[in-house]
Amino acid sequence: QKEVEQDPGPLSVPEGAIVSLNCTYSNSAFQYFMWYRQYSRKGPELLMYTYSSGNKEDGRFTAQVDKSSKYISLFIRDSQPSDSATYLCAMSAGGFRGSNYKLTFGKGTLLTVNP
Amino acid sequence: DAGVIQSPRHEVTEMGQEVTLRCKPISGHNSLFWYRQTMMRGLELLIYFNNNVPIDDSGMPEDRFSAKMPNASFSTLKIQPSEPRDSAVYFCASSQENQPQHFGDGTRLSIL
Repeated sequence: QKEVEQDPGPLSVPEGAIVSLNCTYSNSAFQYFMWYRQYSRKGPELLMYTYSSGNKEDGRFTAQVDKSSKYISLFIRDSQPSDSATYLCAMSAGGFRGSNYKLTFGKGTLLTVNP
Repeated sequence: DAGVIQSPRHEVTEMGQEVTLRCKPISGHNSLFWYRQTMMRGLELLIYFNNNVPIDDSGMPEDRFSAKMPNASFSTLKIQPSEPRDSAVYFCASSQENQPQHFGDGTRLSIL
């Protein structure tokens, strides 16, 4: 079983739709959870960062973590064509601190928002 | 602010040749990471430097790969000899202590 599983999609939605992106993981040591957005031919950029279980909201984006189910989600409200990108989940046991920092990434979900 | 700068952006070379990828981290960042991204395996950490010292190179696939960081503003990833299976996008990322990683735009490497 892979440490982090993510449906690669592709996912195609109309503009204005609510998008749900998900990852599951197997390593119970993971405590820090991130979502990165990667545009075509660009590097990943950090979108959301959460610690342990719970929700975090930032504008149109909401990240959810359910550690009991080992399941994380990213919701995008009122999706826009500019949201079209690959979304990567990432996790670590030690957060950003020193030598404990080691991100394990999902393979990414390709999202297209159609005008 | 200049982000992480990688060069070259694209590299095409023949099997057996030496390949050198370069990275300039964001000024003031003391951690540097090299990643490889492929369709099959996704994004994988190859090596992590902290204060110019290699801390974790467990992701380096084999002896053909080597990485150096001679100073705080420059790092190289070298493949010698290169093989077709090394074809991938290689990313460099940097961070400050306790802060998220910032990625460069990658080097797209094709080995023929």
